[in-house]
Amino acid sequence: DSGVTQTPKHLITATGQRVTLRCSPRSGDLSVYWYQQSLDQGLQFLIQYYNGEERAKGNILERFSAQQFPDLHSELNLSSLELGDSALYFCASGGSGVETQYFGPGTRLLVL
Amino acid sequence: GIQVEQSPPDLILQEGANSTLRCNFSDSVNNLQWFHQNPWGQLINLFYIPSGTKQNGRLSATTVATERYSLLYISSSQTTDSGVYFCAAPKAGANSKLTFGKGITLSVRP
Repeated sequence: DSGVTQTPKHLITATGQRVTLRCSPRSGDLSVYWYQQSLDQGLQFLIQYYNGEERAKGNILERFSAQQFPDLHSELNLSSLELGDSALYFCASGGSGVETQYFGPGTRLLVL
Repeated sequence: GIQVEQSPPDLILQEGANSTLRCNFSDSVNNLQWFHQNPWGQLINLFYIPSGTKQNGRLSATTVATERYSLLYISSSQTTDSGVYFCAAPKAGANSKLTFGKGITLSVRP
């Protein structure tokens, strides 16, 4: 158990819909990272938050947004969903630097 | 950005065999992690190894940062070692976001 929790574990929805994925980092970790794993793109970094502030952005679509709350949990919002958004979404937590990132169990999203 | 390449892409072993998985990276890194993704999709941390050698049971890893590669050794493989092995690194001096390789799919047969 990495100490990082993600909910829900599975999500099935339809094209055009909006969903919210939730992540709680390990106790004491201030950084939350979001990654997407798809068959064609592999594991890709989406966005990082550190202590409530956006710190880095990767290949995140404009239809996607995230935030980190004062209690340090984070939410990834995916809107106007398309079939190609079907993927495994991971949250990872870490410190302020280049320490180990610990990954949650992931949310498997299926868009029909 | 940094490029991370893993080889071989696929590996089939008989239980009890040893194997070496390789990870090359295109730029200086200040962090390198190895992960095992099990058949249920969970990413499990194996090693945080920016340089040097570490061992954990039947697994060990070596990173030679100056030559930009890392190796993961699996000894006396077991069927539970099956899955996909990823290495990931951030570019040195840049943000700590991880760039992943494409993974090595390992199948250990009984």
